[in-house]
Amino acid sequence: GDSVTQTEGPVTVSESESLIINCTYSATSIAYPNLFWYVRYPGEGLQLLLKVITAGQKGSSRGFEATYNKETTSFHLQKASVQESDSAVYYCALGDRTQVVGQLTFGRGTRLQVYA
Amino acid sequence: DAGVTQTPRHEVAEKGQTIILKCEPVSGHNDLFWYRQTKIQGLELLSYFRSKSLMEDGGAFKDRFKAEMLNSSFSTLKIQPTEPKDSAVYLCASRLWGGAGAETLYFGSGTRLTVL
Repeated sequence: GDSVTQTEGPVTVSESESLIINCTYSATSIAYPNLFWYVRYPGEGLQLLLKVITAGQKGSSRGFEATYNKETTSFHLQKASVQESDSAVYYCALGDRTQVVGQLTFGRGTRLQVYA
Repeated sequence: DAGVTQTPRHEVAEKGQTIILKCEPVSGHNDLFWYRQTKIQGLELLSYFRSKSLMEDGGAFKDRFKAEMLNSSFSTLKIQPTEPKDSAVYLCASRLWGGAGAETLYFGSGTRLTVL
């Protein structure tokens, strides 16, 4: 079946350091994947961080970037300089542009802790 | 606009009990999802409705988990009978499906279930 594998947390970094959270996917029943990063900040609900629907394109939001790489089936999340407020749980997710598969498949989540 | 509303926020049940979790999607949204969230498995799909029709029933969760959409603005998830391994956060999400499969999912705050 379809699956998403991401960096196992927790990931601990110091403020102003760079960050990469790896995400790879396997889309066995999805011919045209859409890729998403969702985030859950402490005390808040899960919300969309960024999304990319076309292979080769990059999405960005709040200083985070992720590039949809069809060759390596990856969608790694990067940030050049993290802040303490980025501490959260990040989920990579796989969707289907054609909607043959309607639901999103999520990774297990990566907890990020940023220290001042 | 109100987001996705889930009630109750917390539920404690004895093993063998029947519990019902409730969800009100964002007004006008036609897709509704129930996910279970645990630290080990991440987000697992329980049920998926499109315009009140059941599209996915979560496979492994069929026997004791039953989701229903009584109308376009209300859904329930019944767990019967509960087992300690059901202890988790149950998330409801909705989206306005426009055909591209890239529409944003809006999540509720979740119901934290503890089964003793």
